[in-house]
Amino acid sequence: GAGVSQSPRYKVTKRGQDVALRCDPISGHVSLYWYRQALGQGPEFLTYFNYEAQQDKSGLPNDRFSAERPEGSISTLTIQRTEQRDSAMYRCASTWTARADNTDTQYFGPGTRLTVL
Amino acid sequence: QKEVEQNSGPLSVPEGAIASLNCTYSDRGSQSFFWYRQYSGKSPELIMSIYSNGDKEDGRFTAQLNKASQYVSLLIRDSQPSDSATYLCAVNWAGGFKTIFGAGTRLFVKA
Repeated sequence: GAGVSQSPRYKVTKRGQDVALRCDPISGHVSLYWYRQALGQGPEFLTYFNYEAQQDKSGLPNDRFSAERPEGSISTLTIQRTEQRDSAMYRCASTWTARADNTDTQYFGPGTRLTVL
Repeated sequence: QKEVEQNSGPLSVPEGAIASLNCTYSDRGSQSFFWYRQYSGKSPELIMSIYSNGDKEDGRFTAQLNKASQYVSLLIRDSQPSDSATYLCAVNWAGGFKTIFGAGTRLFVKA
């Protein structure tokens, strides 16, 4: 079946604008993760969903960042009042199951490259 | 101390040699450990997972885990130019749902 998809693939915005990044996980996958990846670094955990429940948002950098997954499938990461330091690749990943210490493979989407001018 | 530490490299090995990649982590309660490969401009993909102390082999790849030393390693035997990539160590943090990635080690396999 189809893999994880993300849109848009590229987003250029001006400082102060709001952006919404979309993640469509593999059909049937229960868990969904959002990460931010700077060039030359590993993915940085932002938040985790089990179905529609946001069970860990400890990685969100500040209150300008929020995420939702209202029907337990598609998720949106929203960044309000963007700043230049928000420029990065934003990736989501999904897994079949949902439990603490999840041992399932995380399948990553292609990412959204966000550039804030 | 970083939560998950890896040598950034680059690590350069000749074709056919063994590549050895290392990772240490700070959360003593962590139980699940992963190695992801990321080609330039692509997304990470899982190549190995390990949960118990000792070695786990899968083809040319062997993951090694020592929880007492909080150390995970990945050996790649008979390295091929196609193995040239960044290798990311990832650890599921105990008591929660967070996965912490290291910064990655860049591997170059010279033909």
